[in-house]
Amino acid sequence: NAGVTQTPKFQVLKTGQSMTLQCAQDMNHNSMYWYRQDPGMGLRLIYYSASEGTTDKGEVPNGYNVSRLNKREFSLRLESAAPSQTSVYFCASSGQTLDEKLFFGSGTQLSVL
Amino acid sequence: QKEVEQNSGPLSVPEGAIASLNCTYSDRGSQSFFWYRQYSGKSPELIMFIYSNGDKEDGRFTAQLNKASQYVSLLIRDSQPSDSATYLCAVRAGTASKLTFGTGTRLQVTL
Repeated sequence: NAGVTQTPKFQVLKTGQSMTLQCAQDMNHNSMYWYRQDPGMGLRLIYYSASEGTTDKGEVPNGYNVSRLNKREFSLRLESAAPSQTSVYFCASSGQTLDEKLFFGSGTQLSVL
Repeated sequence: QKEVEQNSGPLSVPEGAIASLNCTYSDRGSQSFFWYRQYSGKSPELIMFIYSNGDKEDGRFTAQLNKASQYVSLLIRDSQPSDSATYLCAVRAGTASKLTFGTGTRLQVTL
């Protein structure tokens, strides 16, 4: 019963490098999300996807791209990493009724030097 | 103005006391409201959900919603040291819509 699987758990990049964070859920959820969390800032939404084939910008989308590969997978790509993207990234998924809670992955600690 | 606002704390309460955590939101069309607890270095976990005006109780936790004042709160009775964590308020405008989080309130329960 995996829930939301997010990889990698830790990553160190140099400025300008690119990488993709992977996320997969096995709960047949339509909605998937990418958040970043910085000290004192709470969880800020980067992108979300309400269904396969659709994606929408959240509060802080600049510098990121996403891909909803299929219903299970939602990836986040940093094309040219910047130190300002040093953060903890969380992937989450949920159903689409009012009371549906978010199920979170374990998080990715990303450092951009 | 942020969509969801919380006092960052820390809120310090003695063991056994009632902790009161507050949250305000700006979108009057918001329909459902969540409280998540997050321990340091861990993912958030759901504590309470509410969508009707009034109180909702679950064990030591009570969520209170006042849509007219755009205010939601979480009361923790008989606070325990294990309740020490950051509490995140989250708001959803409707089904299939995004969940917006506040910045969180750090709660410290002292012995």
